[in-house]
Order: sequence, then C-alpha cells, then structure tokens
Amino acid sequence: SQQGEEDPQALSIQEGENATMNCSYKTSINNLQWYRQNSGRGLVHLILIRSNEREKHSGRLRVTLDTSKKSCSLLITASRAADTASYFCATRRETGANNLFFGTGTRLTVIP
Amino acid sequence: KAGVTQTPRYLIKTRGQQVTLSCSPISGHRSVSWYQQTPGQGLQFLFEYFSETQRNKGNFPGRFSGRQFSNSRSEMNVSTLELGDSALYLCASSLGGGLAVNNEQFFGPGTRLTVL
Repeated sequence: SQQGEEDPQALSIQEGENATMNCSYKTSINNLQWYRQNSGRGLVHLILIRSNEREKHSGRLRVTLDTSKKSCSLLITASRAADTASYFCATRRETGANNLFFGTGTRLTVIP
Repeated sequence: KAGVTQTPRYLIKTRGQQVTLSCSPISGHRSVSWYQQTPGQGLQFLFEYFSETQRNKGNFPGRFSGRQFSNSRSEMNVSTLELGDSALYLCASSLGGGLAVNNEQFFGPGTRLTVL
C-alpha cells in the first residue's frame, strides 16, 4: 500500500509562476525523496532530504520537511513548460528495509 | 556513468505465459529494487536484491520472483500471467550498503508489460 498522500492531485499554473506540492506520510522516516515522471516513463530523481534536515535546495527546487507533522513540501520556482510532469514523494522508513513507499503523485501542468 | 537500463522496453504477452525482465544498475551500485506501477495501485515495491540476495520483499504473490547476478544485474520473472499484471515495471539502483545509509535510488525507464 502507498505510504502517503500528495496534495493537490493536479495543479495547473502559468509559466513563470511557482508550484507547491505537499506530501503527507504515515510512519517515521529515514529520508524522503522526490521524483518526476513524464508520461509513462521512468522516474527521475530530484532531491533527497534526510529526517534530520528541515530544508534543502537544488536549483529551482526547495524542499521543506516537517517531521512533527509528517509532511513535506516541494516548491518549484519560476516554472517552465518543461516542468510539466507527475511528481511523487517517496519515503524510506526509519527502521527496516531500503525500499521506498510512494505517494499518490501530483500532476503538474505548466501552461506556456 | 551510464544510467539504469531495462530491457525490453515494451512487452506483450497473453494470460498464462511467463515473462522475464532485465535490469542493469548503475556501475558500482549493488542494490536493485523492483517496483510495479499501475493506474489503480500506483507505485508498489516488489523486492530488493543486494549482493545476490533478496533483502526485502513486498506484498506480491509467489508468481513474482527475481534474482541478482554477481555483476549486480537483476532479473524479475512473472509466471502464469494475469490481466492485472499489466503495468510499468521499474527497477531502481542504489549504492546499497547498510540499512541506515541514506541512498538515493535511481530508476530505469521501465518495461511496459501488456497482458492480453
């Protein structure tokens, strides 16, 4: 079963605007990773944030983690049409194995 | 470094047949995990192999199996295919190591399996 939920399920914005996606999860985690998937293709790794980190940046991406609320957000600044894709958060649990538990995904559409 | 490769990219089978999918991880990575993606169930973990041993297994029937070779390449097999096995099968490669280590998992392009 999936670990978490993502909100919103779908998001449509104009090019140049910022996009924020939220992920909530259920159990304590070791880390949380964000992935992008273009239609029907493989997952592209975007960023990993450890459970002891609160914020992480990579280019136009900013991830904020709140372990007390079991939630994480991904902010994409100055969006581009090429950012159109589905975005998934995936958690690795604090204890146990190396596998990831994926959220339901957010479908982002950036309108040129 | 070359990324994760999966073969074949597309596959069409009929019910009752069996299928073998292949995954070559990033050079130096010792862990390979397999995931199934369907519109209804989303992304679900199948199993993980590390150093030729299955280290973890998801909640899938015994028809789904896998193995890993000494060069870290992995195969998964699905026997007695059912219509519901139609999915995108993704493999992910990571350095592996101890379970406490924070490793990114890098995914291949997937194999699209259609069962008729």
